[in-house]
Formats: sequence, structure tokens, C-alpha cells
Amino acid sequence: IQLTQSPSFLSASVGDRVTITCRASQGISSYLAWYQQKPGKAPKLLIYAASTLQSGVPSRFSGSGSGTEFTLTISSLQPEDFATYYCQQLNSYPFTFGPGTKVDIK
Amino acid sequence: QLQLQESGPGLVKPSETLSLTCTVSGGSISSSSYYWGWIRQPPGKGLEWIGSIYYSGSTYYNPSLKSRVTISVDTSKNQFSLKLSSVTAADTAVYYCARMYGDYVNDAFDIWGQGTMVTVSS
Repeated sequence: IQLTQSPSFLSASVGDRVTITCRASQGISSYLAWYQQKPGKAPKLLIYAASTLQSGVPSRFSGSGSGTEFTLTISSLQPEDFATYYCQQLNSYPFTFGPGTKVDIK
Repeated sequence: QLQLQESGPGLVKPSETLSLTCTVSGGSISSSSYYWGWIRQPPGKGLEWIGSIYYSGSTYYNPSLKSRVTISVDTSKNQFSLKLSSVTAADTAVYYCARMYGDYVNDAFDIWGQGTMVTVSS
């Protein structure tokens, strides 16, 4: 199952609402997770089951979607949110990741 | 809290076998509903799932690497390991071990090791 993400790069300001889209090449129900990765660090789980917020993750992060189209929304971008975001499908093996969306400071 | 730590050589020669171990601390590798996986990231590139294992020994591999990959578990040491044979420069990457919660509803890799850089070079 192939995942695409759009945009691949996003320039935004603190306080902006940001939306990242992940599309799957075939239906994956809600078996989708979102991760945040900062340079030199391991990915951090943000969202699982498409819309469930991982414990400890700020509520400004939210996820939605099912089937083939999913979104990750950051309601008000904070300085610590500048990072690369990856979606991952866990519907079937082999698990695959999207190519990533880098969120940079405008 | 549960922590994962990768260990192994940082430099491997072409055609040889890459071997890494992930040590789990603060919890048991034998916990039900948890799988243990390896994910890698070439420099400047995205993430690639290599494979996963359950404490019982059941394994799941990425077909793109399956012919070269072996993942094993040692419950007595609370460790799981990765072996990747016949490596080339294309296998140069940061290798992460991670825990996956797997109840067929809320699956996700929720805890990751810090990662270890492995370079393939003579």
C-alpha cells in the first residue's frame, strides 16, 4: 500500500492552522498513525487509529479520515511543532510510511 | 517507563552482515498485544519498516528485504535482534527499534529507541 503526503513542504507562522493530507493507494480503514520527527531524533507518535490522540500529545493536534484519505491538523502552530510529519499505514504488511511533510518557519 | 536501546557496530563492510540488538528496559518483552519492530532511515530520507516480531517468535518482514533479514527474540534477556545480510551502501541508515501496540484496532509504534547510525563502507 503506497502512501502519499501533501504538501511535501510547508512554510507557516506561529499561530497558523496547518493541515497535512495523507492518501493511501487502497482502503486502509482507520489503520493510520501520524508521527512527528525532529532532526536527529526518533519519530514520536502523535495520532493512532486515524483520530486518537496519543497520551501526552497536546490537543492542538488532531487527526481525521478513513478509507483512503486522512488529515493531520495542528490548530495553532507552536515553535516546538516545526518538524517533519509522517503518516504510516498499519492495515496490512508491509507497513508503509508516507514520504513526509516538513513544516518550516515562515 | 519502558525504554528501548539499540546496540551494535556502527560500521559494516560491504557484503557482510549487519547485526543489531535492541534491549528493552522498564517492562517485559513478553507482554501480550505488543510487537517489536525495526525501522530504518537513510540519511536525509524517509522511514522504512524492516520487520516485526512477537515474543512467541512470529515474524513479519518487508518483502523488499525479506531474503536478507532475520529478526529474533530472546525473552530471557529482554532483547530482540536484527540481522541483515549481504549489505551494500544502500543499507547505510539510522536503524531504530520500536514497540508496536497491536490489538488490530489501535496499532501504532508508540515507543522508539534513540536510533543507531550504521554505515556500510570498506
